[in-house]
Amino acid sequence: AAGVIQSPRHLIKEKRETATLKCYPIPRHDTVYWYQQGPGQDPQFLISFYEKMQSDKGSIPDRFSAQQFSDYHSELNMSSLELGDSALYFCASSPIAGGVGNEQFFGPGTRLTVL
Amino acid sequence: QQQVKQSPQSLIVQKGGISIINCAYENTAFDYFPWYQQFPGKGPALLIAIRPDVSEKKEGRFTISFNKSAKQFSLHIMDSQPGDSATYFCAAGAIYNQGGKLIFGQGTELSVKP
Repeated sequence: AAGVIQSPRHLIKEKRETATLKCYPIPRHDTVYWYQQGPGQDPQFLISFYEKMQSDKGSIPDRFSAQQFSDYHSELNMSSLELGDSALYFCASSPIAGGVGNEQFFGPGTRLTVL
Repeated sequence: QQQVKQSPQSLIVQKGGISIINCAYENTAFDYFPWYQQFPGKGPALLIAIRPDVSEKKEGRFTISFNKSAKQFSLHIMDSQPGDSATYFCAAGAIYNQGGKLIFGQGTELSVKP
């Protein structure tokens, strides 16, 4: 079965640089969630999109922005990177935003290292 | 403030034994409670989930018990195997009212000894 695809899988950046993370949801899933997971920590919700519109926002820094495109893939743009941004970034997709069938399926993640 | 509290932080079980992980929540708006399994460097994988209209759900060796009045739920892994060694996260979401974002517990690192 098709899964969530994330790219790149690993990314190394310098402080103050910019990074773009991409997420391709499972086919026919129109809802995307982004989570950040620090070392030894639980995933923290960042932002979500449903039908190309932002549906919810969590603890996402103003330096980060995201969008969902017409083909439902999503990109997380991170600017002015800080050492503390080093983490695993997961994208999850769901066939529906809220309601029955809201199971979220996670991608393999992008490991971002900021030096 | 941790909205979903998970315990224990780590758990060691012998092969064939029962692993039990507990979670508690405060927000009564939560109406969806999944459990995820995560191996190092991998994404969380959905194991099993429950909604508050049932008190128990079983899928294979995995069972969720749910106590709505106590605002607690737990994962039982029967006949635990070394391959079950991973980190387990409980989560909660208010999927009908708040768009489905999940709030995770702190995680339990399970080690099953052969």
